[in-house]
Amino acid sequence: GNSVTQMEGPVTLSEEAFLTINCTYTATGYPSLFWYVQYPGEGLQLLLKATKADDKGSNKGFEATYRKETTSFHLEKGSVQVSDSAVYFCALSDQGAQKLVFGQGTRLTINP
Amino acid sequence: NADVMQNPRHLVRRRGQEARLRCSPMKGHSHVYWYRQLPEEGLKFMVYLQKENIIDESGMPKERFSAEFPKEGPSILRIQQVVRGDSAAYFCASSDTPGSTSRGSYTFGSGTRLTVV
Repeated sequence: GNSVTQMEGPVTLSEEAFLTINCTYTATGYPSLFWYVQYPGEGLQLLLKATKADDKGSNKGFEATYRKETTSFHLEKGSVQVSDSAVYFCALSDQGAQKLVFGQGTRLTINP
Repeated sequence: NADVMQNPRHLVRRRGQEARLRCSPMKGHSHVYWYRQLPEEGLKFMVYLQKENIIDESGMPKERFSAEFPKEGPSILRIQQVVRGDSAAYFCASSDTPGSTSRGSYTFGSGTRLTVV
C-alpha cells in the first residue's frame, strides 16, 4: 500500500539556520504530494504541494521538489524563523483517491 | 482553521462510556473526512462522508466506531464503549468537491483531543 516516511524528530535549530526535513514515499501510479503544517493548538494547514514529477511547490520561503526517481519530497527553507516552530507533515494522495496518507510528522523548534 | 468547527476541543471519558465528536464543515462544503492521530504518529484516514452517505469507511475500526453526516447538522463521529487505546486527536476536514484531495483543497479543523481514563 501507499506510505510516507519522514525523518525522525524533533528537530531544533537556531534562527536563520538552513532547514531540511526529509520525506520519501511509496505509491502506485503518480500521486500528488503535500506538506502540511500544524501550529500549536490548531488544525493542519496546507503549506505547499506538487502534483507531478519535477514540480516544485513553494510558499512562505519553504520549497519542496517532487523527485520521482528518488521517490522524495524533501522540505527546505534557507533561513528559518522562530515563527516556523510547528509540526510538519508530509502527505500523498493517489489520483482519484479521496484520502491523504500522512507521514508521522516532524516537530520543529526554532530558538532565537 | 476556524472555518471547520470541531467540538469539543478536549473530551475526557471513562472506559466504557460513549464519545461523540462533532464536525461542522465550511459553509458550502458537502464532503467530510475524519482522521485519527495517535500519540507520536501521523494522521490516519478513517472515513469519508457526503451528506447522508458514507462513501469510504475503509479506515474505520470494525467495532464500536460509527460516523454520520446528516442532511442537517454537523457530522458526528461516535465511539461506543471507549478504551484507553482510543485516546487520540481526531481531526475533521471538509471540501467542496470530491476531487479536492489531489488538489490539496482540504480544510482541516483544530481537532478534538480525546482522553480515556
